[in-house]
Amino acid sequence: GAGVSQTPSNKVTEKGKYVELRCDPISGHTALYWYRQSLGQGPEFLIYFQGTGAADDSGLPNDRFFAVRPEGSVSTLKIQRTERGDSAVYLCASSKGLAGGETQYFGPGTRLLVL
Amino acid sequence: AQSVTQPDIHITVSEGASLELRCNYSYGATPYLFWYVQSPGQGLQLLLKYFSGDTLVQGIKGFEAEFKRSQSSFNLRKPSVHWSDAAEYFCAVGGSNFGNEKLTFGTGTRLTIIP
Repeated sequence: GAGVSQTPSNKVTEKGKYVELRCDPISGHTALYWYRQSLGQGPEFLIYFQGTGAADDSGLPNDRFFAVRPEGSVSTLKIQRTERGDSAVYLCASSKGLAGGETQYFGPGTRLLVL
Repeated sequence: AQSVTQPDIHITVSEGASLELRCNYSYGATPYLFWYVQSPGQGLQLLLKYFSGDTLVQGIKGFEAEFKRSQSSFNLRKPSVHWSDAAEYFCAVGGSNFGNEKLTFGTGTRLTIIP
């Protein structure tokens, strides 16, 4: 079956611009997660959704970052007034639920470069 | 706060040799532990996970890991590596209420295989 997909795969933007990154989870997965991976680092948690609601957004670095999941499926990560430090690979994952036995399946990521 | 340490940034082993990648975690309760592998251009793939029960966990691709509470470790092993095992390996700990809401990753260990 289809895995987690993310679009675009690459995004180049200029400092100060607004960007949107999209994540399509595996069909039927109720939980969705966003992580950010900087060069040479492990992924860092940003936010996760259970259904339509953001259950934990404690990893969002500041108020320029926002994410939505209006219908409980596709999610969009939005970054306003981008800064060069936002350059990273943004990873999305989904799981059937939140129980400890559930696996998080990751997408290939969106590589964001802010010039 | 939970944390993961992977003390080895880069490891080189010969094809056919045994492998052990180290992982130490910090977590206040019984941890949920994971090993993921990331190949160039690929998304993160789960190798194995530990939640409870037998402390020796078997995973895909011939990998195993042993949970040692007294040492706060969850080292990954493979008896004989193949050239296709060359990749970046991440250890992660799951926390909060269900063990799977958000993962905290280590900085990763890059594995190089020489013929």
